[in-house]
Amino acid sequence: EVQLLESGGGLVQPGGSLRLSCAASGFTFRQSAMTWVRQAPGKGLEWVSAIINTGGSTYYADSVKGRFTISRDNSKNTLYLQMNSLRAEDTAVFYCAKGVRGLLYAFDIWGQGTMVTVSS
Amino acid sequence: QSVLTQPPSVSAAPGQKVTISCSGSSSNIGNNYVSWYQHLPGTAPRLLIYENNKRPSGIPDRFSGTKSGTSASLGITGLQTGDEADYYCGTWDSSLGAGVFGGGTKLTVL
Repeated sequence: EVQLLESGGGLVQPGGSLRLSCAASGFTFRQSAMTWVRQAPGKGLEWVSAIINTGGSTYYADSVKGRFTISRDNSKNTLYLQMNSLRAEDTAVFYCAKGVRGLLYAFDIWGQGTMVTVSS
Repeated sequence: QSVLTQPPSVSAAPGQKVTISCSGSSSNIGNNYVSWYQHLPGTAPRLLIYENNKRPSGIPDRFSGTKSGTSASLGITGLQTGDEADYYCGTWDSSLGAGVFGGGTKLTVL
């Protein structure tokens, strides 16, 4: 079964850090571009970050640049998002998603999401 | 404020057709593929259209996508109550060097 399973969400104080993981199965992870997308409460989808299949190139939304780092371990079929200097406005459900045909901005497989709450 | 502009809401009766627009610029829609997603609260978004007008396997042909210049549209025919959801367009913005989504459109099937 094709699946993405996020983990690592939770409650963190402003200024804190959190690392999200996304375990992939059922498809050739090492050949797939991967992305993180988030949805804040009551808001729309927001593209956060993407990484090509080799991990050699990464991309970030301006809202997270310099604070978040995307990475992947193809030997473990796992995608990561290291989030530092978290702010209240980072509170959201974070989804990992697989790129269609190597695209960094079209996604055919999505995880169920993991909730990140930034609050004191 | 989203880079891509969608109407906040659209509505139509069961069995009818609806079109959802997505407006951008030359740095995004004008020079990149557009994709469309259906999103129900509490669930994972579902890809409906990619590369402007292609449907993934399992997506019925009631859903269609078009693109012209710096705008794109999602069409849904034979509306069903189960189509009630939020719909998002997405693409790449070459100036930003990042992906972008529209603000989302809530579809109500009356």
